[in-house]
Amino acid sequence: DIQMTQSPPSLSASVGDRVTITCRASQGITNSLAWYQHKPGKAPKLLLYAVSRLESGVPSRFSGSGSGTDYTLTISSLQPEDFATYYCQHYSSTTWTFGQGTKVEIK
Amino acid sequence: QVQLQESGPGLVKPSETLSLTCTVSGGSISSYYWSWIRQPPGKGLEWIGYIYYSGSTNYSPSLKSRVTISVDTSKNQFSLKLTSVTAADTAVYYCARFARKGWFFDLWGRGTLVSVSS
Repeated sequence: DIQMTQSPPSLSASVGDRVTITCRASQGITNSLAWYQHKPGKAPKLLLYAVSRLESGVPSRFSGSGSGTDYTLTISSLQPEDFATYYCQHYSSTTWTFGQGTKVEIK
Repeated sequence: QVQLQESGPGLVKPSETLSLTCTVSGGSISSYYWSWIRQPPGKGLEWIGYIYYSGSTNYSPSLKSRVTISVDTSKNQFSLKLTSVTAADTAVYYCARFARKGWFFDLWGRGTLVSVSS
């Protein structure tokens, strides 16, 4: 099974900061990678899929990049509503594996 | 807009069966794949299984022997049954919808905590 390792587990940042979260796959995943945002008590929200495709309605300050085994989620200018936990996910037609999550907290 | 809502008992005794239902509102359950995902306290997200509106299913190999997912299109609902539960099955259980664009989840419920305890 493919394992997804996210880093860091948590980070503290200020409004306006540029934030980068990394996700590493245990083997190449041919760009089948999605990112989700999750706030306590709310439904997780799809942000990006296929590494860099922005889901409809998601602000353009969110972007994704990477290839092979290493992928990143970048928030170009952190906004108050962005404080949440972020998960990466590898997907295929037969398996779905999530990273452990990165909690973005207010500095 | 389409919303998902999980429902079911919040407490299940060890060795018994966990039963949850996901109600799809604001849209049809038809023509989509639907899934259950769980997150034990302090741990990561784990995919449990999926069902197509027509009834075809696929389960995680690690849970396959204990899981059944079913669908009721007349009620716009799909359900999860997990048998012989232990404390390790304590988790927040989410229902989710697969996107038409690919095998990722474009819609989730808020989740429901199920604790396994006597």
